[in-house]
Amino acid sequence: DGGITQSPKYLFRKEGQNVTLSCEQNLNHDAMYWYRQDPGQGLRLIYYSQIVNDFQKGDIAEGYSVSREKKESFPLTVTSAQKNPTAFYLCASSYLDREGQPQHFGDGTRLSIL
Amino acid sequence: DQQVKQNSPSLSVQEGRISILNCDYTNSMFDYFLWYKKYPAEGPTFLISISSIKDKNEDGRFTVFLNKSAKHLSLHIVPSQPGDSAVYFCAARRGGSQGNLIFGKGTKLSVKP
Repeated sequence: DGGITQSPKYLFRKEGQNVTLSCEQNLNHDAMYWYRQDPGQGLRLIYYSQIVNDFQKGDIAEGYSVSREKKESFPLTVTSAQKNPTAFYLCASSYLDREGQPQHFGDGTRLSIL
Repeated sequence: DQQVKQNSPSLSVQEGRISILNCDYTNSMFDYFLWYKKYPAEGPTFLISISSIKDKNEDGRFTVFLNKSAKHLSLHIVPSQPGDSAVYFCAARRGGSQGNLIFGKGTKLSVKP
């Protein structure tokens, strides 16, 4: 059945290391998004992409990078420049041409620093 | 500066009673408002939405009310069930930005049997 798959569920990063979080969707959605959630906080937008090979910075893009080589995939790299990477990362996707269509979320990846 | 505010971090309600979750916003350009429900270690699940041109939308036990003059919306759950216990996020869509959402910090609802 259709959905959004994030992997891994848990990830550990060493100091100075880049790590990549995977997000795949088979909903045929046009747009994909990455959010970060910290304890007691709402979701904050990191990056989003509306079409293949194009993406835009969100509110907290510093220290992160993304790519959108396929419609189904939107991986997020947490670089060593992100000084506080410990958080719960959520990927979402949605249609763009249907009014009021909500974003659908994956089950998240929890990133921790070793 | 928070554009979407959920001022109650938690709410406790008896099973069978009404749960009312509130949300305030500051930006008049928001064109859609959405409510999501989230369990621990899972992604948010979409519940219900409302267009800024409406004042009420209903779906089963869930009703969302929008008061544009007060920049306030609320989610009513009637009757509340123990399975409704979760964190509820209010989100607003920035009009013209192709779906980008701004989320509140969430309200943790506990429904007691």
